Amino acid sequence: EAGVTQSPTHLIKTRGQQATLRCSPISGHTSVYWYQQALGLGLQFLLWYDEGEERNRGNFPPRFSGRQFPNYSSELNVNALELEDSALYLCASSRVTEAFFGQGTRLTVV
Amino acid sequence: AQSVTQLGSHVSVSEGALVLLRCNYSSSVPPYLFWYVQYPNQGLQLLLKYTSAATLVKGINGFEAEFKKSETSFHLTKPSAHMSDAAEYFCAVSEGSSASKIIFGSGTRLSIRP
Repeated sequence: EAGVTQSPTHLIKTRGQQATLRCSPISGHTSVYWYQQALGLGLQFLLWYDEGEERNRGNFPPRFSGRQFPNYSSELNVNALELEDSALYLCASSRVTEAFFGQGTRLTVV
Repeated sequence: AQSVTQLGSHVSVSEGALVLLRCNYSSSVPPYLFWYVQYPNQGLQLLLKYTSAATLVKGINGFEAEFKKSETSFHLTKPSAHMSDAAEYFCAVSEGSSASKIIFGSGTRLSIRP
């Protein structure tokens, strides 16, 4: 069974640009979570999608947005990139209880 | 609101010594509790989970955790540390029973001294 897959693995953008990160959940999982892991700041909850709808979002500005597609895959968009957005972005999928994580996308803003 | 507090951002133990990583939680409903491990430049891997069954939960790699409701704690232990245990460990809580937001602690970096 394939795990959670994220693409791309690495992404380098310049300040002010937009970044799009993608996540494919484990087959049968309907919930997708996005977390930001910046250096020294731990895992910060970004967004939670379930059955195609946004269920909750963390304390992030509106330029962080996303969506979940009918096949439950998800996309995270970060507009007007700032240097502080440089981080590892982790996606996780869940069906009932625990979350299973992908390997992450390392976003570097220069 | 749920929350998780991990005491100690960095723990260092000698190889072969006891590992104890502390986690306290806050939840208005019976919680589901988890411990995850993260090796450098990788995603998180589930070590073990508590879902209201046995209070002592055994996980992978020789780790276990005990749910103590009276102390609102879910500390992670391993009797004998191995060099390969060096990693970041995260405690997490959710409301369980159905998909719900999972809240993570700030993490504890475990170092193993030879």
